[in-house]
Amino acid sequence: EADIYQTPRYLVIGTGKKITLECSQTMGHDKMYWYQQDPGMELHLIHYSYGVNSTEKGDLSSESTVSRIRTEHFPLTLESARPSHTSQYLCASSATLGLPNTEAFFGQGTRLTVV
Amino acid sequence: QQQVKQSPQSLIVQKGGISIINCAYENTAFDYFPWYQQFPGKGPALLIAIRPDVSEKKEGRFTISFNKSAKQFSLHIMDSQPGDSATYFCAASIPAAGNKLTFGGGTRVLVKP
Repeated sequence: EADIYQTPRYLVIGTGKKITLECSQTMGHDKMYWYQQDPGMELHLIHYSYGVNSTEKGDLSSESTVSRIRTEHFPLTLESARPSHTSQYLCASSATLGLPNTEAFFGQGTRLTVV
Repeated sequence: QQQVKQSPQSLIVQKGGISIINCAYENTAFDYFPWYQQFPGKGPALLIAIRPDVSEKKEGRFTISFNKSAKQFSLHIMDSQPGDSATYFCAASIPAAGNKLTFGGGTRVLVKP
């Protein structure tokens, strides 16, 4: 069982609301990621962090923003939610190359529905 | 541009049978090829992974075959069990460039008892 946690698991929210999806890992991993996944579909990278105070946009354009103030915490924020943001958001982390394991560990995801 | 193409989209196999899922990639810089298993309501979990310096890797009932010249790799699930029913994703990454995973489209596998 991976030590990476996402909250909330499910969120239904109205259009225009600001939301923050939480992600925390206790493995000391320097790299963290946010992926977006529509039901039954492939995962697309939307945000990436090399470490504290380092964030980059992923391959899939997203209106969300992220921050990495602490190694273990990588929250994702939507300033004004829209129905097009309805999706599952998955957080992941991995260790730096050179350590024994390059595996990316995933949280259980947050299923967001914007009504 | 879909850099990792996965087929088939879905697969039904009888208990004890062999499930085969294929993936093809375009970026020759990829050098890490994991397979993830995802159950409904859960995040993906690493099943098995391979580097391009080997052509095959086996872990229990799961085997990856890798063909570098063809830029293809496949997952074989031997003696498929109902508990293997899940969605399987192939992926590729460059660990030295951040290990950002590029995923295939997924294959939904149903193992019938």
